[in-house]
Amino acid sequence: EAQVTQNPRYLITVTGKKLTVTCSQNMNHEYMSWYRQDPGLGLRQIYYSMNVEVTDKGDVPEGYKVSRKEKRNFPLILESPSPNQTSLYFCASSFRRPAEAFFGQGTRLTVV
Amino acid sequence: QKEVEQDPGPLSVPEGAIVSLNCTYSNSAFQYFMWYRQYSRKGPELLMYTYSSGNKEDGRFTAQVDKSSKYISLFIRDSQPSDSATYLCVLRVGQGGSEKLVFGKGTKLTVNP
Repeated sequence: EAQVTQNPRYLITVTGKKLTVTCSQNMNHEYMSWYRQDPGLGLRQIYYSMNVEVTDKGDVPEGYKVSRKEKRNFPLILESPSPNQTSLYFCASSFRRPAEAFFGQGTRLTVV
Repeated sequence: QKEVEQDPGPLSVPEGAIVSLNCTYSNSAFQYFMWYRQYSRKGPELLMYTYSSGNKEDGRFTAQVDKSSKYISLFIRDSQPSDSATYLCVLRVGQGGSEKLVFGKGTKLTVNP
């Protein structure tokens, strides 16, 4: 089954404790991206990757890092989480361009 | 002016009703138009996409784009309770390596049995 898998689904952490949210896709897609979804603000892109070792900032990259060492994986790293990063996070992948994207199930992150 | 405007609703209709969901956009450079559906506690899933002005039909769903008015719509015929979800209009802009998606904020739809 074609899918994008994110882990964990839910996470509560404390300010400043580094965390990683994993994302993996099994469709051999080149394009992957991370979004955060906040009430009243909709989905906003954090980072994206057009292929292995190629990443770039989206609209709200501050406080986040990503890496793309393998085609299937695109982890999101929060080096020092803060409460304003409490949000619902989605990983998405598409074949080559940001178009018909497959989204993961989401990771609800709470930073206290 | 925001790039994509979408009425957040909520919209509540009886089963069997025709539903009209709409977005307006400001940038004529948008060239690819999509509708995603997002159920509660799930990721968005692609419903329909189109490049051009006009209508595109898929079962009970019709996507309509009017580039001259910068207006896009999604119509749902014979709506079902299973259609209850948030609907996102999503537009793509840019070329080559600078393409990006711009999301409407979503319209929450409830179809009552």
